[in-house]
Amino acid sequence: AQSVAQPEDQVNVAEGNPLTVKCTYSVSGNPYLFWYVQYPNRGLQFLLKYITGDNLVKGSYGFEAEFNKSQTSFHLKKPSALVSDSALYFCAVRGMDSNYQLIWGAGTKLIIKP
Amino acid sequence: EAGVAQSPRYKIIEKRQSVAFWCNPISGHATLYWYQQILGQGPKLLIQFQNNGVVDDSQLPKDRFSAERLKGVDSTLKIQPAKLEDSAVYLCAGRSSSYEQYFGPGTRLTVT
Repeated sequence: AQSVAQPEDQVNVAEGNPLTVKCTYSVSGNPYLFWYVQYPNRGLQFLLKYITGDNLVKGSYGFEAEFNKSQTSFHLKKPSALVSDSALYFCAVRGMDSNYQLIWGAGTKLIIKP
Repeated sequence: EAGVAQSPRYKIIEKRQSVAFWCNPISGHATLYWYQQILGQGPKLLIQFQNNGVVDDSQLPKDRFSAERLKGVDSTLKIQPAKLEDSAVYLCAGRSSSYEQYFGPGTRLTVT
């Protein structure tokens, strides 16, 4: 079965420290992987994606993610967290059907403390 | 480039009433999705359109929910009659040619 797991409901990081939000997936074939961020009372905002190529992808607001095929992971990272990064983060993978639908993780709440 | 437009942003109705949501995706986005998002959860796909045709509505509660995209541009999602469990945020998204989805701000529905 195709699935996405975000094992942490919440991640707490001090401002200025590096942050990691974890995501693992299970899908047949080559995955298309995405990270989205949701601020309070807002829709989801695309951050970055991996489709092919370099395993380290860079996205908006200084975020990056590393695709690891052997560990079936796509963790989101940022070298130095800002308080404004506090939000809900969703990992998603394209399902292996012809409709390009996304399978979504449950989300991780990121809290950056000053 | 204009973003995805949704209206209304907030709606409060009583159970058994009807409600409609409107969405206009980014120009050129042929694929449109409607999602339901319960607070603190990931989005749940309700229906997917390709231009004016339905691609997948397998998770749409068809006894009460309906959606259309008659001209392949904007779309309307309707609930009739609403139930308490329909309280959620309804998100609309269009898919770009490079696969990422672009979301509107959502409509927060409260059914009392």
